[in-house]
Amino acid sequence: NAGVTQTPKFRILKIGQSMTLQCTQDMNHNYMYWYRQDPGMGLKLIYYSVGAGITDKGEVPNGYNVSRSTTEDFPLRLELAAPSQTSVYFCASSYGTKYSPLHFGNGTRLTVT
Amino acid sequence: KQEVTQIPAALSVPEGENLVLNCSFTDSAIYNLQWFRQDPGKGLTSLLLIQSSQREQTSGRLNASLDKSSGRSTLYIAASQPGDSATYLCAGQGGSEKLVFGKGTKLTVNP
Repeated sequence: NAGVTQTPKFRILKIGQSMTLQCTQDMNHNYMYWYRQDPGMGLKLIYYSVGAGITDKGEVPNGYNVSRSTTEDFPLRLELAAPSQTSVYFCASSYGTKYSPLHFGNGTRLTVT
Repeated sequence: KQEVTQIPAALSVPEGENLVLNCSFTDSAIYNLQWFRQDPGKGLTSLLLIQSSQREQTSGRLNASLDKSSGRSTLYIAASQPGDSATYLCAGQGGSEKLVFGKGTKLTVNP
């Protein structure tokens, strides 16, 4: 059981470049989330999805886009990368009930220079 | 707006000691309170989830409590071991299905 899989694990981007962070889960979870984690700042929600075809903004959505065409996949797109987007990005999923814990991927460490 | 606070930011204890990690939240209208463990360079691993109707949950040497009236949750670790060294995060889930995380407590258990 793979759980939540994120690729790539590491990436260095130059300012202005774009990239897509991949996330897939094999637990048939309806809910999927993207968080970023900065040192000393905790986890901030970027976008989330409650099911295929439905996405919504979180706390810090600017500079990012998402799509949810299937239950399994929830890619995060960075357009025109900026140094402020240097962070560790985590994808998570759950069944979406109030009593379902979140399952996290191992993260993507992104550096924008 | 929900805010979650964890104090202290770091804690160092000798092996074998029992310890308590603290988590406070501002909005008592939460559906659940979750505790996670994060090892360096890794994602978060769910430890315990306490539903709003519950007062505590136990898993092995871990016990988490929830007091909605005071806006507090604690994670009790019994007989700590060096392998327990990690960052522990709590998160409150409200009606928006979104979790709000604390910044975590970095625990070091010294042999």
